[in-house]
Amino acid sequence: AQRVTQPEKLLSVFKGAPVELKCNYSYSGSPELFWYVQYSRQRLQLLLRHISRESIKGFTADLNKGETSFHLKKPFAQEEDSAMYYCASGDMGRRALTFGSGTRLQVQP
Amino acid sequence: EADIYQTPRYLVIGTGKKITLECSQTMGHDKMYWYQQDPGMELHLIHYSYGVNSTEKGDLSSESTVSRIRTEHFPLTLESARPSHTSQYLCASSRTSGSYNEQFFGPGTRLTVL
Repeated sequence: AQRVTQPEKLLSVFKGAPVELKCNYSYSGSPELFWYVQYSRQRLQLLLRHISRESIKGFTADLNKGETSFHLKKPFAQEEDSAMYYCASGDMGRRALTFGSGTRLQVQP
Repeated sequence: EADIYQTPRYLVIGTGKKITLECSQTMGHDKMYWYQQDPGMELHLIHYSYGVNSTEKGDLSSESTVSRIRTEHFPLTLESARPSHTSQYLCASSRTSGSYNEQFFGPGTRLTVL
């Protein structure tokens, strides 16, 4: 079974500091990796997917198959980035995504 | 507007009651899902459906049941609610196309069973 690990429950940084939210997955095939975000009082929404190789709200994530990681990074954190972040993995044809336990990012002024 | 709707948003109910959590989507998606999420924990898949009259159990064992009579509607039912069912329930949907498995989520139903 697929497994997604987010080792940090809480990550607290100051505004302007770099951010890295860690995510490791266990899947030997070609996974689809996603980062979802949930802002306060809002629903869970997609932040970015590895296949797009895009930057959303200044966040990027690189798939490292050797380390089976998909860490989320942003060079300069903003207060509005404070939220819960979930890493998820899937594969073509699988019924649903496997989610990690989430990391709460707190960006202090 | 294309969206996923869940009702009720909050429900407090006594033990033994039968409840149905509603989920509807106007996204035109064929796949739908139910996840259970305890505070600060990961989402666990409890049910999914590939289309009308297709339902399967997810990774987490659940005493709930689901039905998919219409493409846009995927209700979840608990015949006899218990305190152990207290949790947040998230409904999601996705389209079967290409290699993407992007799921769109509803706002969730927070259930408390006393």
